[in-house]
Amino acid sequence: SQELEQSPQSLIVQEGKNLTINCTSSKTLYGLYWYKQKYGEGLIFLMMLQKGGEEKSHEKITAKLDEKKQQSSLHITASQPSHAGIYLCGADLGGSNYKLTFGKGTLLTVNP
Amino acid sequence: ETGVTQTPRHLVMGMTNKKSLKCEQHLGHNAMYWYKQSAKKPLELMFVYNFKEQTENNSVPSRFSPECPNSSHLFLHLHTLQPEDSALYLCASSQDDLMTWTGGGSPLHFGNGTRLTVT
Repeated sequence: SQELEQSPQSLIVQEGKNLTINCTSSKTLYGLYWYKQKYGEGLIFLMMLQKGGEEKSHEKITAKLDEKKQQSSLHITASQPSHAGIYLCGADLGGSNYKLTFGKGTLLTVNP
Repeated sequence: ETGVTQTPRHLVMGMTNKKSLKCEQHLGHNAMYWYKQSAKKPLELMFVYNFKEQTENNSVPSRFSPECPNSSHLFLHLHTLQPEDSALYLCASSQDDLMTWTGGGSPLHFGNGTRLTVT
């Protein structure tokens, strides 16, 4: 089984709609990172969460880490075509000084 | 300009060919990484180098051979690959390891990747 489960795998929304992407782990998340990727390109850093209950926002994107530090959500308000892409969560699950474990990603399509 | 440059962006090679992927970082970081991204799979960490020394090798087949001549350059030498090795290969760098990272941003800075197709 996967260490980091992302849901949904893909999402199609109408422009202006809100959406949420989830990232769940069976292990404690010592550091949780959200990235965005355009197809065939590198990862662009969005936000980092470390403390249980932490919430961060940037423009129309809000990320939260639950109190137990095993689940994070990424919420986009009033989606725009520019939000389209692949969203990946990456986490430090402990056990390695260098390894970030990633989810499979969520492919977001925003229709105008 | 991402600060991490990968070349080539696209590569098509036959199973008997030998080729190399190159990564260069201009950020003054100490650690460099190779990740593999296949369709419908999570990013897989392949190798990590810290101060030119290999610190992690995650059970990668010997047909992939990394080389890190200095902290700014990282290569991935490829030979006798299989079609299932077709993927996006991403290079990344970091200033510190995860234990000592105290910055508010991402510990990893990624390049734009090399799209590899093995025929």
